[in-house]
Amino acid sequence: EVQLVESGGGLVQPGGSLRLSCAASGFTFSNYWMHWVRQAPGKGLVWVARIDSDGSSTSHADSVKGRFTISRDNAKNTLYLQMNSLRAEDTAVYYCARDRAYSGYDIDYWGQGTLVTVSS
Amino acid sequence: DIQMTQSPSSVSASVGDRVTITCRASQGISSWLAWYQQKPGKAPKLLIYAASSLQSGVPSRFSGSGSGTDFTLTISSLQPEDFATYYCQQANSFPLAFGGGTKVEIK
Repeated sequence: EVQLVESGGGLVQPGGSLRLSCAASGFTFSNYWMHWVRQAPGKGLVWVARIDSDGSSTSHADSVKGRFTISRDNAKNTLYLQMNSLRAEDTAVYYCARDRAYSGYDIDYWGQGTLVTVSS
Repeated sequence: DIQMTQSPSSVSASVGDRVTITCRASQGISSWLAWYQQKPGKAPKLLIYAASSLQSGVPSRFSGSGSGTDFTLTISSLQPEDFATYYCQQANSFPLAFGGGTKVEIK
C-alpha cells in the first residue's frame, strides 16, 4: 500500500524557516517524481514544487522561488521542502504527492497533509 | 503559464442527478487534464487522468471528456458519497495549475 506521511509543520513567525518531510513507503520511491502542493484554509489547491526521480532536476512555483527548496533522499525514501523567509500567505496545509509517472504530470497519491501557520 | 477556469463554482443537486462540471485551459493542453475529488479535511483523490481515463477503483459513474482547451467531468447518477469539491488540473507543463474548484452540494 502506498503511503506518504508528512511531518514538520507548525507555527512559525514571519521571516522564519521550517523544513517539511514526507516519508514514503509501499512503492519504489526512487522511480517516481514527487510534488508538494499546498492549500490555504478554505481555498483551492496550489502546486508548489516538483523534483525528478533522482533529484537532479527541480522546479518551483514563482510564488516560492528563491525561498523554498524541494529535495529528496532516496536512500531514506524521504521527500523534503525547506521553507525560508516565510510569509503569512504561506499559511496552508502542505501535501506531499506522487506523480503518476506515465504520461502527463498528474498525481495519483497524496499524503494527509501537514499544516504550516505563519503568524506572529 | 497556463490558467485553469472551472465552472460552476458550486452546484446543488439531488441523489440520482446527472452533474456536469466544466474546465477551460487558457491555452491548448492536448489531453493532459486530470480531475480530483476532495472531501472536507481529506487529501484530494485522483478520479480521471489524460482527460478521459478512469483511475483504478473509481466508480464508472464518473467520466471525463474533452481536449485542447475545453474539458468536462460528468457524474452520471450522483450518490451520497459524491458530495465533495472537484478540481481540474492541467498536466501538460510546469507550473502545474488547478482550477478553482466546484463544490457539489446537497439540494
